[in-house]
Amino acid sequence: NAGVTQTPKFQVLKTGQSMTLQCAQDMNHEYMSWYRQDPGMGLRLIHYSVGAGITDQGEVPNGYNVSRSTTEDFPLRLLSAAPSQTSVYFCASSSRLFTDTQYFGPGTRLTVL
Amino acid sequence: QKEVEQDPGPLSVPEGAIVSLNCTYSNSAFQYFMWYRQYSRKGPELLMYTYSSGNKEDGRFTAQVDKSSKYISLFIRDSQPSDSATYLCAMSDRDNYGQNFVFGPGTRLSVLP
Repeated sequence: NAGVTQTPKFQVLKTGQSMTLQCAQDMNHEYMSWYRQDPGMGLRLIHYSVGAGITDQGEVPNGYNVSRSTTEDFPLRLLSAAPSQTSVYFCASSSRLFTDTQYFGPGTRLTVL
Repeated sequence: QKEVEQDPGPLSVPEGAIVSLNCTYSNSAFQYFMWYRQYSRKGPELLMYTYSSGNKEDGRFTAQVDKSSKYISLFIRDSQPSDSATYLCAMSDRDNYGQNFVFGPGTRLSVLP
């Protein structure tokens, strides 16, 4: 049981490049979320999903796309990377709502030059 | 004013001390209150979860919620060096869980042997 896995662990992009951050969970959780964590600002919700085929926006969705074709996977796409998207990205999953225990992945450290 | 504010830290205490970590919030609709612990370069993990006002105890950890004052606290008794981490409060309005799940910025705690 691997829990929540994220790849890559580190990534450096140039402004304007696109990429996909991968997230997978093996706990059969319905709810999955993406957060970004910046110094002094805590974790901010980017997008979330309440089940396969259903996604919605969080607090800071601009510049990011998501899709959920399977229960296990919830990739986050950066469409045209900007320096403001330099951050640590965490994926999380839970069996019910956010108020249930969320299990976080180890994070992806992204730098946009 | 930020929606959730947390004592800035960093906080350094000697081993065995009682630690008090606090958050204040402005949204009276929050009903679910959580404390997460985050070790350096790791994802957050849920420590405590409470609903509405009151106290909850789990081993050396006690969470308190005072909704009338919009104030929550986490107490750590007999603190250990292994408690050294960043502590994040989080709260949610269940009726609007997508856009209204908010983390505080975190307090970094160091417990010195």
